[in-house]
Amino acid sequence: DIQMTQSPSFLSASVGDRVTINCKASQNINKYLDWYQQKHGEAPKLLIYNTNNLQTGIPSRFSGSGSGTDYTLTISSLQPEDVATYFCLQHSSRYTFGAGTKLELK
Amino acid sequence: QVQLQQSGAELVKPGSSVKISCKASGYTFTSYDMHWIKQQPGNGLEWIGWIYPGNGNTKYNQKFNGKATLTADKSSSTAYMQLSSLTSEDSAVYFCARGIIRGFFDYWGQGVMVTVSS
Repeated sequence: DIQMTQSPSFLSASVGDRVTINCKASQNINKYLDWYQQKHGEAPKLLIYNTNNLQTGIPSRFSGSGSGTDYTLTISSLQPEDVATYFCLQHSSRYTFGAGTKLELK
Repeated sequence: QVQLQQSGAELVKPGSSVKISCKASGYTFTSYDMHWIKQQPGNGLEWIGWIYPGNGNTKYNQKFNGKATLTADKSSSTAYMQLSSLTSEDSAVYFCARGIIRGFFDYWGQGVMVTVSS
């Protein structure tokens, strides 16, 4: 099974900051990597699919990059409404989520 | 618009079974996978399996073989997950999510909290 190592587990940043979250796969996942945002008490929401494709309706401050085993979610200018937990998901072989990154405002 | 409406919270006894539902609307139910995902309090997300309602094919995370059974009713556009031989480790929120064939999950249900307690 493919393992996903997500970092950091916790992140504190200020409004306007550039924020990056990383996921590392245990083997090449051929860009089959998605990012989800989960606010407290809500279902996860798809932000980015297949590494760098922005889901419809998601603000352009969110972007994704990566290849092989290493992938990154970037928020270019943090907004208060971005406070949430972020998960990556690989779907190259079955499905494995990262453990999550809890993002808070400083 | 695509909607996945899940059934209500369940309080069940250890050793029993529970069946939760996910009613789909706003799209062709038989043309997309339906996935089920587990989230324990304070924990991350764990994929349970998928069903393709078009032909009833299923695929499970090996960890949930024998624990979860996925079915779908095309006539009502509803997917079901039955969990059996429940223990405290099965207490969690369970989500259904529409899957692009063998791909990402683009719409999620609101989640169902299952609490296993005597």
